[in-house]
Amino acid sequence: AQTVTQSQPEMSVQEAETVTLSCTYDTSENNYYLFWYKQPPSRQMILVIRQEAYKQQNATENRFSVNFQKAAKSFSLKISDSQLGDTAMYFCAFMKRGSGYALNFGKGTSLLVTP
Amino acid sequence: KAGVTQTPRYLIKTRGQQVTLSCSPISGHRSVSWYQQTPGQGLQFLFEYFSETQRNKGNFPGRFSGRQFSNSRSEMNVSTLELGDSALYLCASSPDSGTSGTDTQYFGPGTRLTVL
Repeated sequence: AQTVTQSQPEMSVQEAETVTLSCTYDTSENNYYLFWYKQPPSRQMILVIRQEAYKQQNATENRFSVNFQKAAKSFSLKISDSQLGDTAMYFCAFMKRGSGYALNFGKGTSLLVTP
Repeated sequence: KAGVTQTPRYLIKTRGQQVTLSCSPISGHRSVSWYQQTPGQGLQFLFEYFSETQRNKGNFPGRFSGRQFSNSRSEMNVSTLELGDSALYLCASSPDSGTSGTDTQYFGPGTRLTVL
């Protein structure tokens, strides 16, 4: 079984600053995907970024980037130039490759962006 | 293209009743997954359907069941409702174009179930 741990229940950052959300996971699998999802107050889950475990290059999507350390089983999300609209719950998730779509989520980090 | 739709959006039931929730995936998507979200347990995977077959199953009791129709629409059923079943139930769909995981999962807005 895989476990995903997000050790920061709440974080706060000022607008335009940079913040890093942490995620660690435990698995015996070698082929998998890692995700960061965002859930704003509307409750709509939105994919922020995805990382394939077999790719060494860290994924980047505009202001969002990850630091993927496979050996350490660490997958952190960096948000640059934070905006008020980034205020949301952020979930780290794990999924085995080639076994359908079954996400294993962490407990989430509540991020508040302040003016 | 319309997104994932879930009906109803809100539901109130009493203990012991049963409930059916519906999910219509994005047109062309073949995989539908269901998740339960509660403050205490967080987001937990219930099951996944692909081509009318259950492909993956989470660790939930048999009171939770689902099915998928030939048009990929999916329903989940919870029988003999308990207070602890109160949750936001999220559905997600994916094209599943061949290699699982390479496609993005798109989530619906959820159904908020309250059990009294």
